[in-house]
Amino acid sequence: GENVEQHPSTLSVQEGDSAVIKCTYSDSASNYFPWYKQELGKGSQLIIDIRSNVGEKKDQRIAVTLNKTAKHFSLHITETQPEDSAVYFCAASITGSARQLTFGSGTQLTVLP
Amino acid sequence: GAVVSQHPSRVICKSGTSVKIECRSLDFQATTMFWYRQFPKKSLMLMATSNEGSKATYEQGVEKDKFLINHASLTLSTLTVTSAHPEDSSFYICSALSGSGTDTQYFGPGTRLTVL
Repeated sequence: GENVEQHPSTLSVQEGDSAVIKCTYSDSASNYFPWYKQELGKGSQLIIDIRSNVGEKKDQRIAVTLNKTAKHFSLHITETQPEDSAVYFCAASITGSARQLTFGSGTQLTVLP
Repeated sequence: GAVVSQHPSRVICKSGTSVKIECRSLDFQATTMFWYRQFPKKSLMLMATSNEGSKATYEQGVEKDKFLINHASLTLSTLTVTSAHPEDSSFYICSALSGSGTDTQYFGPGTRLTVL
């Protein structure tokens, strides 16, 4: 089955700097890659996703890039703010949707003021 | 956005007792809900897929008789941990699938189960 690895497990950045989280996947049939933000006491929220027919997607300060050949995708957060501090999970699916997700192990991002 | 609630948020029980966790989609109907288990610093591990009006589909290695899932309505799924043991202590998270064109999973805030 699919295996998703995520790095780093923890990441600290200064406010205003950029943060990059990387994930690799094993199943070349995977075609949907969402990123979730998990805050304490709240449900994980979808922050951005990308499908395999696109190499990059951007939404304000957040962007995701996908390299199908290398089977890896990355989350980029620019101009980080303290409220970006959370645990971020990547995931992959072969269904083209959120129906069958395999998650990475998560990254604890801390933005230092 | 769509909201999913879980109750209770935290539960402590004695070994051998059963615990029920509720997952509700508050502002949308969900024919499909998922139950995950999350260990510290680990990823979310899918336990089972809950389909309204039918039996849940369990992932390999998950005991269906120990983790009973009921999805009796389009807004409620329950997970009952039967005869709980300390090794069942974990963070349990549910999600509901919104099929309104976006097919997005909306996650509940999770339930911390501690079995003494």
